[in-house]
Formats: sequence, structure tokens, C-alpha cells
Amino acid sequence: DQQVKQNSPSLSVQEGRISILNCDYTNSMFDYFLWYKKYPAEGPTFLISISSIKDKNEDGRFTVFLNKSAKHLSLHIVPSQPGDSAVYFCAASIAGNQFYFGTGTSLTVIP
Amino acid sequence: SQTIHQWPATLVQPVGSPLSLECTVEGTSNPNLYWYRQAAGRGLQLLFYSIGIGQISSEVPQNLSASRPQDRQFILSSKKLLLSDSGFYLCAWSIRVNQPQHFGDGTRLSIL
Repeated sequence: DQQVKQNSPSLSVQEGRISILNCDYTNSMFDYFLWYKKYPAEGPTFLISISSIKDKNEDGRFTVFLNKSAKHLSLHIVPSQPGDSAVYFCAASIAGNQFYFGTGTSLTVIP
Repeated sequence: SQTIHQWPATLVQPVGSPLSLECTVEGTSNPNLYWYRQAAGRGLQLLFYSIGIGQISSEVPQNLSASRPQDRQFILSSKKLLLSDSGFYLCAWSIRVNQPQHFGDGTRLSIL
């Protein structure tokens, strides 16, 4: 049973525009959320996280938004750059070691 | 700084053969260690995690096993591989629970 879902397998965005990647979860007990970026033949790289006590966290061009009532998480990348082209995974956990990952969204930023 | 090493990068094995994948972490002590698998078209699935030497928790029943013989060494093993064991295996570490996990570059395992 997939507790964390990324319903868009792919997304294409023009360079300089905003990229919005979405993630939905089913377990209301999740209290820690992360986004990872993955290039081919490499392991995922941690991007940004957010605790359930917050609804927004910013780090440079990356902002994560959490809507607990909708059980929805999103990652905004502004402005998008060609180097941002990668697969993005969201993940969630319940105060522990067990992180549940989505299936990933492949982002292509078009120059 | 901390680094994680995982090898081999690719592996082709026949059905029924044994498996040993190794992962080591440098630059930190007593890390939490994890093994994940990503099957084709699927998300990352946690297989095992360890909070200390000899302490292994299994998340999914399977014919794989894990061991942690040293503080910063995590090994994924199988006595007899199945076709369904094909996938991309990732090792990760974190400084403690509920902290970001940092991944190695993975092993692409193909079973023939």
C-alpha cells in the first residue's frame, strides 16, 4: 500500500519559470517530510525537509509547502534551471527510521 | 565530512547464486544505516535498518538478510537470489532518527 504518492510521473518546465512538484500522503501520523533529487546512476541527494509543525520551509530557490489538512506536500523551484532536471522523490516518516518514499517525478527544465 | 561508499555499482548474477553488497560510511560514528530497493517503476522501499552493531530491523519479508559487523559497515546478503530480487539497491545513513538520510550511489543488480 503506497502511503506516499506522486501522481505525476513527469513534468516539463521552461528555464526561468516555476516548477511545482506535488506529493500526497495518506497517513495523518506522518510528522516529517523530505524531498530528494536523483540523477541517473546516482543515489538520491537530500534537498529540503519540513516538520509537521510548520507549513513552509525555504532554502534558496527551493521551498516546500505542507498542507496537513489536505495531506499534501509540494516543492517549488524558482527559477528553474536546466541543472534541476532530475527525478524528485518525496518521503515521509513518523518520528522514526521508517521513511516512506513516493515513486518520483521526473523534471525536465527546457533551456 | 561524511561519505558513504557502496559497491559494486553494477552486478549481474544468475538465479540461485549468493549475494553480498557492502556499504561503508566514513566521517561519523554510530550512524543509523539503511538498505533500500527500488524496483522498476516503483518508489524506494526500505528493506533493513540498523541503529547499532548487530542490531538489524527488517521491514519486508524476503530472502534477503542484512548484517552490521562493524559500526560503519552494513552488508546486504542472500543465500539464493530470485528473479524478483532484480533492482536498484541503495544504502543510506543518518545521524539519528528523523533526520535526512544520505544515500550512496547504489548497486544495479540484474538477475539472469
